[in-house]
Amino acid sequence: KAGVTQTPRYLIKTRGQQVTLSCSPISGHRSVSWYQQTPGQGLQFLFEYFSETQRNKGNFPGRFSGRQFSNSRSEMNVSTLELGDSALYLCATKQARTAQETQYFGPGTRLLVL
Amino acid sequence: GNSVTQMEGPVTLSEEAFLTINCTYTATGYPSLFWYVQYPGEGLQLLLKATKADDKGSNKGFEATYRKETTSFHLEKGSVQVSDSAVYFCALKSMNRDDKIIFGKGTRLHILP
Repeated sequence: KAGVTQTPRYLIKTRGQQVTLSCSPISGHRSVSWYQQTPGQGLQFLFEYFSETQRNKGNFPGRFSGRQFSNSRSEMNVSTLELGDSALYLCATKQARTAQETQYFGPGTRLLVL
Repeated sequence: GNSVTQMEGPVTLSEEAFLTINCTYTATGYPSLFWYVQYPGEGLQLLLKATKADDKGSNKGFEATYRKETTSFHLEKGSVQVSDSAVYFCALKSMNRDDKIIFGKGTRLHILP
């Protein structure tokens, strides 16, 4: 079974631009969560999508948004990029929303904002 | 709120040394506990997990026991290898399905040949 796929793997943008990242889950996985990883803040939860609906949200400004499609693929968008948005963005997927489900992480998209 | 505290790194050991990475947590109820590993340039991989008190998770020679009385989930390995060099994250998730995974800051491990 193929793993979680994230595209692109690397991205360079300038301040003020916007960016869209994509996550394709493992086949059969319907829950997709997004995390931001930075050296200073560590891993922080952004949001979770299940059945095309946002189910949970972390403490990030409205510039960060996401969506999920009927095939469970998810995208996250960051508008008006700031230097502090430079990070590794990870998505994690699982089959269902039960508490015991194990999440599987993708390799991440490394975003550099100049 | 829920939180995870793990020992700061980097931790540097010689090959075949014994490894312990400490992890303690704060949570209500009985959360599930995890150790994830991140190799250079890669995403996170689930290393092991435990879902109830006294459970022992194990994988690839690594072990961790869910200790409710000390709210700990320390990671151990009897004989480390150079290939174990990575960043290790302790994490928890409460039984509430709407709760997100809470990660520790991560501990970077260097194994010298």
